[in-house]
Amino acid sequence: GESVGLHLPTLSVQEGDNSIINCAYSNSASDYFIWYKQESGKGPQFIIDIRSNMDKRQGQRVTVLLNKTVKHLSLQIAATQPGDSAVYFCAEILRGADGLTFGKGTHLIIQP
Amino acid sequence: DAGVTQSPTHLIKTRGQHVTLRCSPISGHKSVSWYQQVLGQGPQFIFQYYEKEERGRGNFPDRFSARQFPNYSSELNVNALLLGDSALYLCASSLAGAGTEAFFGQGTRLTVV
Repeated sequence: GESVGLHLPTLSVQEGDNSIINCAYSNSASDYFIWYKQESGKGPQFIIDIRSNMDKRQGQRVTVLLNKTVKHLSLQIAATQPGDSAVYFCAEILRGADGLTFGKGTHLIIQP
Repeated sequence: DAGVTQSPTHLIKTRGQHVTLRCSPISGHKSVSWYQQVLGQGPQFIFQYYEKEERGRGNFPDRFSARQFPNYSSELNVNALLLGDSALYLCASSLAGAGTEAFFGQGTRLTVV
């Protein structure tokens, strides 16, 4: 079965608000996590990554938090914009594995 | 700089036929991975190649095969197509394989009828 799963399939937020997308993983051997954004008809776009030896990593308007105790990963998007509307996937790599394992995705909808 | 390029963008095939999908990685990237994305789901790992050798294989039947060429481009081949093979096939390139940033192409939309 899937190691990575998302809590909610759809998240609706007001433009300008902050968004938080959550992801749970079940394998403690997961070594590396990536968040991807996928717009309709396009391939996944790399947003930010984090390694298992880190708790937090920040990028431009995005922050990823990793809680290894409860095997939880979150993506925070600050000041959400219409262009942030997309499906967001978390993906993991198990230590020693070769491919990414993706969850089903969360569809982020931005309300005007 | 060119990103990951895949060809063709769309393809329609008949059950039982064979298909070849192509991918050119980002310049300087030596690893290519292939993923299958069925509508409404996340991508599923098929293969990874690094320096022309297969480094990983997902849970796909032997009808699926791939190779990587000396210029690091790659082909994914699928034999005896089934209706269930209809999906978006994604190629990702990375500098050194698993554990490094993977950048995806736009994908090839395969429809099997």
